[in-house]
Amino acid sequence: EAQVTQNPRYLITVTGKKLTVTCSQNMNHEYMSWYRQDPGLGLRQIYYSMNVEVTDKGDVPEGYKVSRKEKRNFPLILESPSPNQTSLYFCASSYPGQLSPLHFGNGTRLTVT
Amino acid sequence: DAKTTQPNSMESNEEEPVHLPCNHSTISGTDYIHWYRQLPSQGPEYVIHGLTSNVNNRMASLAIAEDRKSSTLILHRATLRDAAVYYCILRLRVMDSNYQLIWGAGTKLIIKP
Repeated sequence: EAQVTQNPRYLITVTGKKLTVTCSQNMNHEYMSWYRQDPGLGLRQIYYSMNVEVTDKGDVPEGYKVSRKEKRNFPLILESPSPNQTSLYFCASSYPGQLSPLHFGNGTRLTVT
Repeated sequence: DAKTTQPNSMESNEEEPVHLPCNHSTISGTDYIHWYRQLPSQGPEYVIHGLTSNVNNRMASLAIAEDRKSSTLILHRATLRDAAVYYCILRLRVMDSNYQLIWGAGTKLIIKP
């Protein structure tokens, strides 16, 4: 089954404790992206990647890092999480191009205390 | 700045057609109109997209106004499984490698049995 898999689904952590949210897709998509969803703000792009070893900042990259060492994986790293990073995070992938539908994972709900 | 405006919520009876409106008066000529929906506890799911002409697929139809300042997502026979938040989105090409999504606030569709 074609899918985007995120782990974990839920994560509670404390300020400053490094964490990684994993994202994997099995559709051989070149494009991958991370979003955060906050009430009233819709989905905002954090980072995106056009292909292996190619990443770039989205609208709200501060406090986040990503890597793309393999085509299927695109982990999101929070080196020193803060409470304002409490949010619902989604990973998405697609083929390149403005017309290609994005496939989203089921989300990771992160709480930073 | 590009943006979309949608009603907060709509109700419909099961097995009846549903018309979900969206205003995007600031749309530019190269912006695509995409619709996604989000079921509870899931990531957004692609529904349909279009540029100028009306579009049909197995899930829905998209009617785009001639001036492109508004569009309507049409579910021909809504079922209980169609209850979700429906997002009208403009997909903008911002650089050679990235495509920004401008998300509306979404319309919560309630289906009454």
